[in-house]
Amino acid sequence: DSGVTQTPKHLITATGQRVTLRCSPRSGDLSVYWYQQSLDQGLQFLIQYYNGEERAKGNILERFSAQQFPDLHSELNLSSLELGDSALYFCASSEGHGGNTIYFGEGSWLTVV
Amino acid sequence: GNSVTQMEGPVTLSEEAFLTINCTYTATGYPSLFWYVQYPGEGLQLLLKATKADDKGSNKGFEATYRKETTSFHLEKGSVQVSDSAVYFCALRGSARQLTFGSGTQLTVLP
Repeated sequence: DSGVTQTPKHLITATGQRVTLRCSPRSGDLSVYWYQQSLDQGLQFLIQYYNGEERAKGNILERFSAQQFPDLHSELNLSSLELGDSALYFCASSEGHGGNTIYFGEGSWLTVV
Repeated sequence: GNSVTQMEGPVTLSEEAFLTINCTYTATGYPSLFWYVQYPGEGLQLLLKATKADDKGSNKGFEATYRKETTSFHLEKGSVQVSDSAVYFCALRGSARQLTFGSGTQLTVLP
């Protein structure tokens, strides 16, 4: 158990809908990262937050957004969903911004039908 | 930008065979290097890491040495078990601080 908690574990939704994925980082970790794992794209970095502020942005679509709250949990919002958004979404956390190991949650499986 | 190239899979071995999964990287500066493992139906787990040149990471019988001269971080295990069947990802963490992953290598170990 990495200590990173993600909910829901599985989610099935229709095209055009909006979903929210939630992540609780390890106790004491200030950085949260979101990754997308799909068959065709592999593991892609989406976005990073550090202590409530956006720190880095990767291959995140404009239809997707995220935030980190004062209690350090994070949410990834996916809207106007398309079939191609079906993937495993990982949240990860680390203690600081740099120089620390990144620990991953078990992921949220999103299926868009 | 940073990139990681991993040995293409899938790899199928018999139990007790020797394992090597090749990983090379491109990065500016001095990245940290990682191997993560994903067991069937589970999330990513950190297997081992190395933070500077010539460091050797090791865990659960797996080893990898950070070779700056060849920009490589090959994963090895002397005797694999059926329980090692999983997908293995090589990754680097550079100055941007997020991880860049390779494409993953599926390992199947047969009894």
